[in-house]
Amino acid sequence: DAGVIQSPRHEVTEMGQEVTLRCKPISGHNSLFWYRQTMMRGLELLIYFNNNVPIDDSGMPEDRFSAKMPNASFSTLKIQPSEPRDSAVYFCASSPRERRERQETQYFGPGTRLLVL
Amino acid sequence: GNSVTQMEGPVTLSEEAFLTINCTYTATGYPSLFWYVQYPGEGLQLLLKATKADDKGSNKGFEATYRKETTSFHLEKGSVQVSDSAVYFCALSVSGAQKLVFGQGTRLTINP
Repeated sequence: DAGVIQSPRHEVTEMGQEVTLRCKPISGHNSLFWYRQTMMRGLELLIYFNNNVPIDDSGMPEDRFSAKMPNASFSTLKIQPSEPRDSAVYFCASSPRERRERQETQYFGPGTRLLVL
Repeated sequence: GNSVTQMEGPVTLSEEAFLTINCTYTATGYPSLFWYVQYPGEGLQLLLKATKADDKGSNKGFEATYRKETTSFHLEKGSVQVSDSAVYFCALSVSGAQKLVFGQGTRLTINP
C-alpha cells in the first residue's frame, strides 16, 4: 500500500515567494495533520483536519500560512510570502478511525525540506 | 498543560549495548503514550504505544512500560544494532484529542 505522499521533497525559494506544499493521505484515512520540524523548536503541529474540516489551527504561526483540504485525498499548505525563518522540514501525517482503540496511530510522509533564501 | 520531556541526546553506544532513553510526561486526564522513530531522511514511524497504566508496548526488540506512578514511559532495548541509529521521539495524546504532543527527540548513534 502507498503511504502518505508529499511533494515536492525539496524546495528552494527566495524570500517573498509563494510556496505550496502538497500531501496525499493514505486512502481511507479521515484525519490529516501538518507538522513543522526545526532544530530549534523540534516537531510542531500546525493544523489538523477531520473529514476535510479544519479542527485545530492554533499551531499555524501567522497569517502567512494557510492550509486547505478540498477532498479526502489531497491537502495543501501554503506560505505567502515566504521568509527565511520558514525554512524547515514540513511533514504531513494521516490517521484512520480505529474504533476499538483509544487513539489512532498517525502515519507520516517523508517530508518536504524547505529552504527560503 | 500537556508536555513530554525526553532524555537529552545525542546518545552514542556500541553495538550490542543496552539502551535506555528516558521519557516523562505531564498530562491532564489519562494519556496514551507513544514512541516514534525517525530514520535519516525519512518521516516518523510508530515504534510502539501503550494506552493505559502498566501496559507494555513492544516492537523490534524495543519495549516501554506505561508507569502512571512515575509518569514515565522509558524506552529500552537489550542489545542495539547499527541499524537502530535514528532519532527517537516520545509522545502523548490525551483521551478525546487527536493531537500528539512530542518530546524534543533523542538522537541515537550505534557504532559497530
